[in-house]
Amino acid sequence: DAKTTQPPSMDCAEGRAANLPCNHSTISGNEYVYWYRQIHSQGPQYIIHGLKNNETNEMASLIITEDRKSSTLILPHATLRDTAVYYCIVRVVNYGQNFVFGPGTRLSVLP
Amino acid sequence: NAGVTQTPKFQVLKTGQSMTLQCAQDMNHEYMSWYRQDPGMGLRLIHYSVGAGITDQGEVPNGYNVSRSTTEDFPLRLLSAAPSQTSVYFCASSSPGVSSYEQYFGPGTRLTVT
Repeated sequence: DAKTTQPPSMDCAEGRAANLPCNHSTISGNEYVYWYRQIHSQGPQYIIHGLKNNETNEMASLIITEDRKSSTLILPHATLRDTAVYYCIVRVVNYGQNFVFGPGTRLSVLP
Repeated sequence: NAGVTQTPKFQVLKTGQSMTLQCAQDMNHEYMSWYRQDPGMGLRLIHYSVGAGITDQGEVPNGYNVSRSTTEDFPLRLLSAAPSQTSVYFCASSSPGVSSYEQYFGPGTRLTVT
């Protein structure tokens, strides 16, 4: 699985968009980009994933660059409850594959 | 559905003691795994299973055993606890194939070994 690089921490004002970057310059053609988050020592929670097209769901948007070497997770209107560690993971969708969680980005949403 | 459940929530062991961390899921997921998370770190895979009767090692398997006799249950055994095994343990499950993008995690077991 390709390695990812994320900033260790970020701040965001409540109500503003939070943009979390992720670099994955060695990603291969069959690897997807996944985002999970972990709120204060709870188990991680799936947010969104994508291959090469931008994706949006009720939680967030995922923007993947055309060369697929980086991506951005966007929380459009961050709330205090979005304070968490956000993990960017790349891996192949395959039976039996596991997720490799790096240190992630600690997002603090400030009132 | 209860999702993924783990027991106990907290446990304190003395060095050399053994114990079993329980994990169960009611979503009929074939795939289950155990992770550990040390303070300030990401999750590291201990063992995983792709179905009943099939298990395999992850990144940090030493000191732990697993078995998978049913689809629902995936217990993790600590054979002889060591202070280095002080950590938070998470169990997860998912469906195989194209649905495997979402792993469902339990609430965790916080283990302290003194």
